[in-house]
Amino acid sequence: GAVVSQHPSWVICKSGTSVKIECRSLDFQATTMFWYRQFPKQSLMLMATSNEGSKATYEQGVEKDKFLINHASLTLSTLTVTSAHPEDSSFYICSASALRSGTGEQFFGPGTRLTVL
Amino acid sequence: DAKTTQPNSMESNEEEPVHLPCNHSTISGTDYIHWYRQLPSQGPEYVIHGLTSNVNNRMASLAIAEDRKSSTLILHRATLRDAAVYYCILREIYNQGGKLIFGQGTELSVKP
Repeated sequence: GAVVSQHPSWVICKSGTSVKIECRSLDFQATTMFWYRQFPKQSLMLMATSNEGSKATYEQGVEKDKFLINHASLTLSTLTVTSAHPEDSSFYICSASALRSGTGEQFFGPGTRLTVL
Repeated sequence: DAKTTQPNSMESNEEEPVHLPCNHSTISGTDYIHWYRQLPSQGPEYVIHGLTSNVNNRMASLAIAEDRKSSTLILHRATLRDAAVYYCILREIYNQGGKLIFGQGTELSVKP
């Protein structure tokens, strides 16, 4: 099956710094990638939809200036958490839809655990 | 996308079958039923999906009620590695490349 990777798998940063998380589709092209956030014992919450070559579409309540998304190519999307604060500590997960998939199956990355001190 | 309702948690014994229910009474005729699962500290993974007929794959079976208002994910022989949160999600046929909206899911625990 298709593989999506994320880097880093975990990161610890100081409050006020910015953190960039990469999401790559390794063996397929993805016109659309999605970013989710998950707090402990909760479900995944969709943050934004990222389309290659265009601006991301953010879900209601998600600050676009705080969570910067760039989808520069068909295999790479990045999420930058700017001026991170402890409340941004969470598990961030990306997913991608394959162009060739007729099932609508989404392929998820392994997630990035962000801890802001 | 229409909403789904699942029990918060279920328990199973190892090597026994598990039936995970999902109610979707407001499903429309163009909604596919998708199941994903999330193992601890991992991203979700696709399990199975269907429209009207029952479906089987190497991971599980999906039984869909005749009126499509409910479905059941069947794990034929649960293993310890099947302990995960299982999500039942409806996706419109014309939104096959679009976003997934996750509900709370069912947390399955498997006892040895």
